[in-house]
Amino acid sequence: GAVVSQHPSRVICKSGTSVKIECRSLDFQATTMFWYRQFPKQSLMLMATSNEGSKATYEQGVEKDKFLINHASLTLSTLTVTSAHPEDSSFYICSANRGPYEQYFGPGTRLTVT
Amino acid sequence: AQRVTQPEKLLSVFKGAPVELKCNYSYSGSPELFWYVQYSRQRLQLLLRHISRESIKGFTADLNKGETSFHLKKPFAQEEDSAMYYCALGGANNLFFGTGTRLTVIP
Repeated sequence: GAVVSQHPSRVICKSGTSVKIECRSLDFQATTMFWYRQFPKQSLMLMATSNEGSKATYEQGVEKDKFLINHASLTLSTLTVTSAHPEDSSFYICSANRGPYEQYFGPGTRLTVT
Repeated sequence: AQRVTQPEKLLSVFKGAPVELKCNYSYSGSPELFWYVQYSRQRLQLLLRHISRESIKGFTADLNKGETSFHLKKPFAQEEDSAMYYCALGGANNLFFGTGTRLTVIP
């Protein structure tokens, strides 16, 4: 049980375009999902907390207009990187809460902006 | 402010030797601490949490509030323990991660 998927696993896009990453909880409902960013050989940095049916809560320094988060259902959250630039290239990981202290992680999405 | 410090980026031990991965934290309230592991080409997964006081895959971790530490220990390292280990601080709905320690167990 407790599987979280992400799609796509890898994406390459041109500078200036937007790209959407999906995060799904496959066998449980998650009122809260999280989006992290991981730079090479560095730790995970929490970007935002996605709450079903309400606006996401962004961490300090994360541009909410650039990283659009939508949590439209209890099993799906999406992260859209708008007007992507090469510096947005990174590994994006989502996680979902099944319950208190039960956070399950997706496999990650590698974004490359050319 | 919340902070998790893992002083060692890399740690190598021989198979069968004891291993200790260090984690120190800074938190004003009552902390909840976790260890997560990421094996090669796999997703991050929970290894253990201090509130459970459990031993997973031979690993244990004791919360020392006086030293604000939550070090991960295993008496006899195995090759399959080679992975990236993250200490995390948080609560029911969010986590703050340390920078991670890459453990390599040498055959």
